[in-house]
Amino acid sequence: GENVEQHPSTLSVQEGDSAVIKCTYSDSASNYFPWYKQELGKGPQLIIDIRSNVGEKKDQRIAVTLNKTAKHFSLHITETQPEDSAVYFCAASTHAGGTSYGKLTFGQGTILTVHP
Amino acid sequence: GAGVSQSPRYKVAKRGQDVALRCDPISGHVSLFWYQQALGQGPEFLTYFQNEAQLDKSGLPSDRFFAERPEGSVSTLKIQRTQQEDSAVYLCASSFLPRDLGGTEAFFGQGTRLTVV
Repeated sequence: GENVEQHPSTLSVQEGDSAVIKCTYSDSASNYFPWYKQELGKGPQLIIDIRSNVGEKKDQRIAVTLNKTAKHFSLHITETQPEDSAVYFCAASTHAGGTSYGKLTFGQGTILTVHP
Repeated sequence: GAGVSQSPRYKVAKRGQDVALRCDPISGHVSLFWYQQALGQGPEFLTYFQNEAQLDKSGLPSDRFFAERPEGSVSTLKIQRTQQEDSAVYLCASSFLPRDLGGTEAFFGQGTRLTVV
């Protein structure tokens, strides 16, 4: 099955700096890669996603890049703000093997702290 | 409602007790997922429903775990004879369509935090 590794486990930055979180996946059939933000006591919330036919996607201060050859993808947050502080999860999903309905395999999470 | 609703938010169970966790997905959403999130970890897949059909239960950790969605809307995750290792947050997610029919985003509920003592 799919295995997703996420690094770093914790990330501390100053307000205004950029933050980068990296994930690798094992199943070359994976073709959908969402990123979720989880605040304390809440469920994960989708912040950006990318499909395997695209190498990069940007939404305001957030961008995701995908390298299918190397099987890794990254989340980039620019001009970080204290309200960006949360746990961030990457995930991978595949159409192969009967999981066409979108079962997600998550990384272990990154605790991002943005200091004012 | 506007989002996925789960109840109860918190549940404390004595070891050996049965529990039932409820999920109200977004109205009209075909796909429904249950995930288990241990403390400090990412969510792990438990089971998937497409309407009332349970198409994948490969993630259920043991036969003490049972899920149903009899009318294709509300779903219940039941855990029999709870054990300490069952302590976790149980998350429900729904999406309008399965991904192979064009669906994408899965919306998560706030979860039920189960503590077995």
